[in-house]
Amino acid sequence: DAKTTQPNSMESNEEEPVHLPCNHSTISGTDYIHWYRQLPSQGPEYVIHGLTSNVNNRMASLAIAEDRKSSTLILHRATLRDAAVYYCILKGATNKLIFGTGTLLAVQP
Amino acid sequence: DTEVTQTPKHLVMGMTNKKSLKCEQHMGHRAMYWYKQKAKKPPELMFVYSYEKLSINESVPSRFSPECPNSSLLNLHLHALQPEDSALYLCASSRSAGPGNTIYFGEGSWLTVV
Repeated sequence: DAKTTQPNSMESNEEEPVHLPCNHSTISGTDYIHWYRQLPSQGPEYVIHGLTSNVNNRMASLAIAEDRKSSTLILHRATLRDAAVYYCILKGATNKLIFGTGTLLAVQP
Repeated sequence: DTEVTQTPKHLVMGMTNKKSLKCEQHMGHRAMYWYKQKAKKPPELMFVYSYEKLSINESVPSRFSPECPNSSLLNLHLHALQPEDSALYLCASSRSAGPGNTIYFGEGSWLTVV
């Protein structure tokens, strides 16, 4: 499966929107873009996933570039509980969910 | 109910011991996974079971032996482990192993090998 590139860390203020970028220039046509997050001392938690179109759910929105070489996870109003490591992962024909190093999001009150 | 339950939460074992980690889900999922996570590192895939059959083994040493007795249960049998095997072991499940399926993780079992 193709790899992703994310910033090591980002900072946000509470109640402001957060845009977490992910580059995946070698994505193939059958790769889904998955986002998971992991809070300290917990298992990873599913956030959202998509293939080609933008997606919204109760947790976040996923904006996928037209050429699919990048995507952005949008948290509409960050809270302190959103402080976590966010992983952008491509899952394709191998059916493997392989985690990269992710983005550590800090949320300031 | 989107819960994957792992037991025990904490396990300390000697290098000559035999122990098992257990995982259970009642979501009717037919794919189950084991991951290993060292401190401050991302989770690493170890095994994937699809319809109770082992479909992926990421070159894991034989001292780790997975077992899927039925569609709801997944075990990881541990034998002759080394101190460097100390880690958080995560179980997960999904409806099937296909790329568009959501994977649900348990809280993990913290393993310490002494």
